[in-house]
Amino acid sequence: EVQLVESGGGLVQPGGSLRLSCAASGFTSSRYWIHWVRQAPGKGLEWVANINEDGSQKYYVDSVRGRFTTSRDNAKNSMYLQMNSLRGEDTAVYYCARDNFGTSGWFDPWGQGTLVTVSS
Amino acid sequence: QSALTQPPSASGFPGQSVTISCTGTSNDVGGSNYVSWYQQHPGKTPKLMIYEVSKRPSGVPDRFSGSKSGSTASLTVSGLQAEDEADYYCNSHAGRDYVVFGGGTKLTVL
Repeated sequence: EVQLVESGGGLVQPGGSLRLSCAASGFTSSRYWIHWVRQAPGKGLEWVANINEDGSQKYYVDSVRGRFTTSRDNAKNSMYLQMNSLRGEDTAVYYCARDNFGTSGWFDPWGQGTLVTVSS
Repeated sequence: QSALTQPPSASGFPGQSVTISCTGTSNDVGGSNYVSWYQQHPGKTPKLMIYEVSKRPSGVPDRFSGSKSGSTASLTVSGLQAEDEADYYCNSHAGRDYVVFGGGTKLTVL
């Protein structure tokens, strides 16, 4: 079964850091761009960041650029989102998703999501 | 990186058709053949319904269709059913290599 599973979410204080993981199974993740999308409580979907097949290209939404970093370990079929200097507005469910054609936005599958809560 | 514009709500009676719009610019929807639509039920993960403007993944009913004219993409749900009640989001390839989402539309089946 083609699947993505996120982990690493939790409660963190403002200014703190968290590292999310996204484990792929059922397919060779090194052949795909992977994206991170978040959804604040009661709000819509927001694209956050992506990383290309070999990790050499990464793009970020303006609000997280300089604070978040994507990476991947293709040997482990895993992708990561390092989040530093966290703010209350970063509170959200974070999803990883596979892009089925470059960076087209054709996301399938999605992970189940992991909740990040930034609060003192 | 401005969000695409969707109406906050849409509604229709069972059996009717409803169309949800998704308006962007020449930098995203207008300049891209890569527009996707997602359905999200409360507490659930988004589900791909349409990709590349009008293509349907396997398993998605043909009641769902997509189209695009200029910088506005549309999702039409025909023969509305109760289970279609959900939030719907569009997205598009934008800029060099990033993606932008619409704000979402809550579809109510009356």
